[in-house]
Amino acid sequence: EDQVTQSPEALRLQEGESSSLNCSYTVSGLRGLFWYRQDPGKGPEFLFTLYSAGEEKEKERLKATLTKKESFLHITAPKPEDSATYLCAVKAAGNKLTFGGGTRVLVKP
Amino acid sequence: ETGVTQSPTHLIKTRGQQVTLRCSSQSGHNTVSWYQQALGQGPQFIFQYYREEENGRGNFPPRFSGLQFPNYSSELNVNALELDDSALYLCASSEKGRDYEQYFGPGTRLTVT
Repeated sequence: EDQVTQSPEALRLQEGESSSLNCSYTVSGLRGLFWYRQDPGKGPEFLFTLYSAGEEKEKERLKATLTKKESFLHITAPKPEDSATYLCAVKAAGNKLTFGGGTRVLVKP
Repeated sequence: ETGVTQSPTHLIKTRGQQVTLRCSSQSGHNTVSWYQQALGQGPQFIFQYYREEENGRGNFPPRFSGLQFPNYSSELNVNALELDDSALYLCASSEKGRDYEQYFGPGTRLTVT
């Protein structure tokens, strides 16, 4: 069974304090790893798709990387508006996304 | 280009009742997936519809059922509601062939009392 574990569960950062979120996965035949951002009471917002080890994607202050066992979401010089829950999901065979529990990020000014 | 929309926004039901949630896909998307998200957890896959047929199902009982219509909109039906069904129900649409990238709606918050 596909498994996704995210750590830490929660992260408190000062504005400008860079950090990384971890997503470890166990799947048979990875067909894609996805990062989403979710604000309270809203649906997840698509950020990145990574398909193969070594791949990297960037968007503003966010950078996602992928290895054979895990993915990292690096937040560089975060701002308060980066506060959200960040979700990682994997797609293997079949049509479902398997999500981790998320990392709640709070950036204080 | 319109995004994914869901209705209603919030809903309160009593245990044992039935509920129908609705979803309109993003323009150009022909595949719809439904997820259940309990408070503080990641979304869990319920099922997916493509060309009006179920195209994959997660570990949810048969009282969770769905429909997809010719215009690609979709419904999620839950019968015999239980307290544990209280959650945020998310609909996501995608293009078949590019179904790796799923775009989510705002969700319907269901409370079962």
